[in-house]
Amino acid sequence: AQKVTQAQTEISVVEKEDVTLDCVYETRDTTYYLFWYKQPPSGELVFLIRRNSFDEQNEISGRYSWNFQKSTSSFNFTITASQVVDSAVYFCALKAPTQAGTALIFGKGTTLSVSS
Amino acid sequence: GAGVSQSPRYKVAKRGQDVALRCDPISGHVSLFWYQQALGQGPEFLTYFQNEAQLDKSGLPSDRFFAERPEGSVSTLKIQRTQQEDSAVYLCASSLVGNIYGYTFGSGTRLTVV
Repeated sequence: AQKVTQAQTEISVVEKEDVTLDCVYETRDTTYYLFWYKQPPSGELVFLIRRNSFDEQNEISGRYSWNFQKSTSSFNFTITASQVVDSAVYFCALKAPTQAGTALIFGKGTTLSVSS
Repeated sequence: GAGVSQSPRYKVAKRGQDVALRCDPISGHVSLFWYQQALGQGPEFLTYFQNEAQLDKSGLPSDRFFAERPEGSVSTLKIQRTQQEDSAVYLCASSLVGNIYGYTFGSGTRLTVV
């Protein structure tokens, strides 16, 4: 069965701290995609990144970086020098298999609170 | 439009009432999904359309839930005889077929059944 686990329910940090959000997934498919979404208080899900199961390169985008480790079925997300605007709920999601029409399986989310 | 539009933004229904939630996807987006997000949870899949065809409705929790997309654009999710456990945010997402970069989500409709 497909499953995504985000063990951290809530994280609170002070501005400029680095923070890592954990994501562990389960799938028997050999080809899959992993995603991170941000959900601000307004409610919409904002796409942050997609990772292909065949590509284990880590990725950095500004203050955001992602560490994909197939060996541990993890896809962790790090925010460097956090800012108040980063406060939101963050969801990790799995799409397996990768065909169009396959729904995303979401974790329960991690609520990040960044205080000034 | 520029994004996925959902209406109403908020809906309060008395238990037993029927409700209809609307999703207006991005123009040209062939794929359309509905998700249900309970408080404090991640979104859960309800149903999938490719154009007007409903290809997967395995996530609909009961036969009180019905979705349609008759002309392959706007979609409506209907819930009959609402119950308190139906209270949730209903999210709609759309994409081009084969778009591997995920989906564009709307802001959702928050349904509260009292």
